[in-house]
Amino acid sequence: EDQVTQSPEALRLQEGESSSLNCSYTVSGLRGLFWYRQDPGKGPEFLFTLYSAGEEKEKERLKATLTKKESFLHITAPKPEDSATYLCAVGMEYGNKLVFGAGTILRVKS
Amino acid sequence: GAVVSQHPSWVICKSGTSVKIECRSLDFQATTMFWYRQFPKQSLMLMATSNEGSKATYEQGVEKDKFLINHASLTLSTLTVTSAHPEDSSFYICSASTWGPGQGNYGYTFGSGTRLTVV
Repeated sequence: EDQVTQSPEALRLQEGESSSLNCSYTVSGLRGLFWYRQDPGKGPEFLFTLYSAGEEKEKERLKATLTKKESFLHITAPKPEDSATYLCAVGMEYGNKLVFGAGTILRVKS
Repeated sequence: GAVVSQHPSWVICKSGTSVKIECRSLDFQATTMFWYRQFPKQSLMLMATSNEGSKATYEQGVEKDKFLINHASLTLSTLTVTSAHPEDSSFYICSASTWGPGQGNYGYTFGSGTRLTVV
């Protein structure tokens, strides 16, 4: 069964305290792995797409990496405005649906 | 970039009435659109996939007669919650695939969501 698991469920950081979010997946065939940010009462906002093991992408304080079994979202020197729920989703090689993880709720305190 | 507009952003309706939610792709043609439901502090649950000009494909456990989906054009999909009841209160989000022959890179763009409250 295709499955996406995110950890931790929640993460509280002090401003400037770097950390990583994990997304592990077991799917029959990976077409792409997506990271989204979701603020309360809003739809998911696209961050990154990763396609193959070894790929890395960066955007401001965020860096996403991908292996054959998991992806990490590294947050460097976070700020309070980085507080949000971060969602990982996998697109399968066959079909066009996304399978979502449960998300990680990030809180950054100043 | 690809933009998906969803309306209304919130709606309150009386039990037994129907509510329509619209999802429009503003600057691209969306062959396939998706409808999700999200409960508080939970992730997105796929309800159905709609392809332009054909019947929607519903996920297991989703009542197709309660959640009517119409995808009549390449830029518009609608979700109608029929005979709404308080248990239908939730956050509904649409999404469109932005990829396909002659289109952009593989990806999905999401609307801003609709908060439905049934009283």
